[in-house]
Amino acid sequence: QVTLKESGPALVKPTQTLTLTCTFSGFSLSTSGMRVSWIRQPPGRALEWLARIDWDDDKFYSSSLRTRLTISKDTSRNQVALTMTNMDPVDTATYYCARGRAFDVWGQGTMVTVSS
Amino acid sequence: EIVLTQSPGTLSLSPGERASLSCGASQSVSSSYLAWYQQKPGQAPRLLIYGASSRATGIPDRFSGSGSGTDFTLTISRLEPEDFAVYYCQQYGSSPWTFGQGTRVEIK
Repeated sequence: QVTLKESGPALVKPTQTLTLTCTFSGFSLSTSGMRVSWIRQPPGRALEWLARIDWDDDKFYSSSLRTRLTISKDTSRNQVALTMTNMDPVDTATYYCARGRAFDVWGQGTMVTVSS
Repeated sequence: EIVLTQSPGTLSLSPGERASLSCGASQSVSSSYLAWYQQKPGQAPRLLIYGASSRATGIPDRFSGSGSGTDFTLTISRLEPEDFAVYYCQQYGSSPWTFGQGTRVEIK
């Protein structure tokens, strides 16, 4: 059974750096073709794809956020991390991690509020 | 970057009716790498369709996808009460990957 679960702080202050971790099971990110993405969704708004990391450590980022994002993986721990710098209240959202190209399995999401 | 535009923004229909949702791309989506998702309040999205027309595991056959290039459609042949939700398209043919803004299917 494939599962993913996001973890990280529920509240961050403006200008701080957010670090989120996606811990997964049921597959290996060292397997050819495997990919994990981060997606976010502000309250009442649409989904926004943020970043992706592939089995071969290729990394891809949203055009609008690429200067603020870093994605990394720890294959031995089955984890993918996302850091986002210079957080702003508009970054308040539920952050999801998901597997694949068409995202066949999603985490439950973690709500992050940016407020002083 | 490929921009996906979904229409209509809201679709008001009754159970048993047919729903047609559109997703238009600003550039051709390579290899029809287009997916559709359903999202209900408080839940993560669920994959319905991948490769423009292939149903994901466990998805009822009342859901179908079609299209290629820049024009794609999700059709729900007969709406069931559990189908009232928000639907998103997503392209994964070229980076950065992108989502449409969503179509809400509501009970009339």
